[in-house]
Amino acid sequence: AAGVIQSPRHLIKEKRETATLKCYPIPRHDTVYWYQQGPGQDPQFLISFYEKMQSDKGSIPDRFSAQQFSDYHSELNMSSLELGDSALYFCASSSNWEGSHEQYFGPGTRLTVT
Amino acid sequence: QKEVEQDPGPLSVPEGAIVSLNCTYSNSAFQYFMWYRQYSRKGPELLMYTYSSGNKEDGRFTAQVDKSSKYISLFIRDSQPSDSATYLCAMSANLPGTASKLTFGTGTRLQVTL
Repeated sequence: AAGVIQSPRHLIKEKRETATLKCYPIPRHDTVYWYQQGPGQDPQFLISFYEKMQSDKGSIPDRFSAQQFSDYHSELNMSSLELGDSALYFCASSSNWEGSHEQYFGPGTRLTVT
Repeated sequence: QKEVEQDPGPLSVPEGAIVSLNCTYSNSAFQYFMWYRQYSRKGPELLMYTYSSGNKEDGRFTAQVDKSSKYISLFIRDSQPSDSATYLCAMSANLPGTASKLTFGTGTRLQVTL
């Protein structure tokens, strides 16, 4: 079965640079979530989109922005990167139109800021 | 205090043992409960999804929810070395019109030894 696709899988950036992370949800899933997971920590919710509209916002810095496009893929844009932004970034998708609350995660993007 | 509490372990058991993993929560709005398995540096894999209080079984896994006590459990029968991973409980509320974020426990690291 098709899963959530994330790209790139690894990204190395320097401080103050920008990064763009991409997420392709499971086909027919209309909802995308972004989570950040620091070393040894549980995933923390950043932001979600339902039917291309921002749905909920968590602890996402103002330096970060995201959107969901007409084909339901999503991009997380991160600017003025800081050392503390180094983490695993996961995208998850679900099918809200089916009333499902199950979220399926992608393999993640490992961001390293040097 | 975190909304979801989970013993971080590590928990070490011999192969073939029954494993019991638990989480407690404080937010009465949580209605959907999930267990994820996460191998090192990989994306969380959905194992079990439950809505109502009671038991749900899938192969060697049984999920139990007690909403009155705000307590959920995951049991793994006949544990295998391949079950060695971090197990994360996660839960979400049902907020109309929004894509409900997941709130995670800290994860329990499980080691199944030969």
